[in-house]
Amino acid sequence: EAGVAQSPRYKIIEKRQSVAFWCNPISGHATLYWYQQILGQGPKLLIQFQNNGVVDDSQLPKDRFSAERLKGVDSTLKIQPAKLEDSAVYLCASSPRRGGTQYFGPGTRLTVT
Amino acid sequence: RKEVEQDPGPFNVPEGATVAFNCTYSNSASQSFFWYRQDCRKEPKLLMSVYSSGNEDGRFTAQLNRASQYISLLIRDSKLSDSATYLCVVSGGYNKLIFGAGTRLAVHP
Repeated sequence: EAGVAQSPRYKIIEKRQSVAFWCNPISGHATLYWYQQILGQGPKLLIQFQNNGVVDDSQLPKDRFSAERLKGVDSTLKIQPAKLEDSAVYLCASSPRRGGTQYFGPGTRLTVT
Repeated sequence: RKEVEQDPGPFNVPEGATVAFNCTYSNSASQSFFWYRQDCRKEPKLLMSVYSSGNEDGRFTAQLNRASQYISLLIRDSKLSDSATYLCVVSGGYNKLIFGAGTRLAVHP
């Protein structure tokens, strides 16, 4: 069974630029999560989707971050404009159902200079 | 106060040693508890769930103390391959997972 796919794996941008990350969850998984992991910290949930609806986006900085999962399958996370403090690994995870085991993708390592 | 707190370590132990990690959480309403393992520059992977009665998976034993709001992980007979960061994870609202910052373990020959 294929795991969670993410791209790109690495991205370097300058502050104030825009960037987008893509995630394709495990086939059939209804729940999709985006996490931000800053070096030395645990992953922090940014947004949770159930199919194509948002369940929780309370920790998403909505002035600069946006995410969508239009067809209830793959998802994109966008940052516009980026700040230095956005440098982190962005992890996507999926789960067959809410509360089920979460399976993580390899992440996208973002560096903002 | 952080929602999930862990000793960052590192714990440096020789092969064959027994090592224990503790974690405390602040939300007494949390229902689900897990330990995840994260290798350097890799994604987190579920190590084991933690049940109220305690549970064991091979060399790994997890315990939950709801009254004191702490979770523990015991690793017996440590292997070099156990070197990683161990993340304590607690469920929050909407079944979201709240991660601790992790405890680093380094097992040496």
